[in-house]
Amino acid sequence: GAVVSQHPSRVICKSGTSVKIECRSLDFQATTMFWYRQFPKQSLMLMATSNEGSKATYEQGVEKDKFLINHASLTLSTLTVTSAHPEDSSFYICSAKKRTYEQYFGPGTRLTVT
Amino acid sequence: QKEVEQNSGPLSVPEGAIASLNCTYSDRGSQSFFWYRQYSGKSPELIMFIYSNGDKEDGRFTAQLNKASQYVSLLIRDSQPSDSATYLCAVEKGGGADGLTFGKGTHLIIQP
Repeated sequence: GAVVSQHPSRVICKSGTSVKIECRSLDFQATTMFWYRQFPKQSLMLMATSNEGSKATYEQGVEKDKFLINHASLTLSTLTVTSAHPEDSSFYICSAKKRTYEQYFGPGTRLTVT
Repeated sequence: QKEVEQNSGPLSVPEGAIASLNCTYSDRGSQSFFWYRQYSGKSPELIMFIYSNGDKEDGRFTAQLNKASQYVSLLIRDSQPSDSATYLCAVEKGGGADGLTFGKGTHLIIQP
């Protein structure tokens, strides 16, 4: 199997606070994990690539100081949205790479910033 | 020019028929190609990946890749109502550590 979990599945926070989202590969080791964001009726957009033991690589336009990524082990990556604002409300989805080609997605975290 | 293009649909297909989904991509350096299925409010589910020209079959699904034409397709045979979803085409540049570039998806409706 290739199971990826995310926690929490849904979070509501107030503007200005920080939110941490965890992504875990449950039955395999993932040297590379990815974070995506999906706004309503849009497709997934890659935010950053996370490699175990090294700094994340961010896509153009994604603020690395706002979206902090930590890949602490081969099965865990975390995304912290700092000083969240309503425009950060979105569906955040992580994925983990199993072997060379296959990328499996977690169930997603729906963030609402009020 | 958009990197990965798909017809947004909706594509309506009778139950039991073949559903044909198409995707074009702009980056000739792309190495791997993926089809994901996404139900409303859920995360994408991997259906198939393909990286060599030609056809790849898995059960009711067949992926087809033509790198010269920069075209990839997905055929779903014996379509079932449970196949109704948005199908996302995704492309990876290669190297093993790249994230995916997604198309906007095709909304498929299988009519009972």
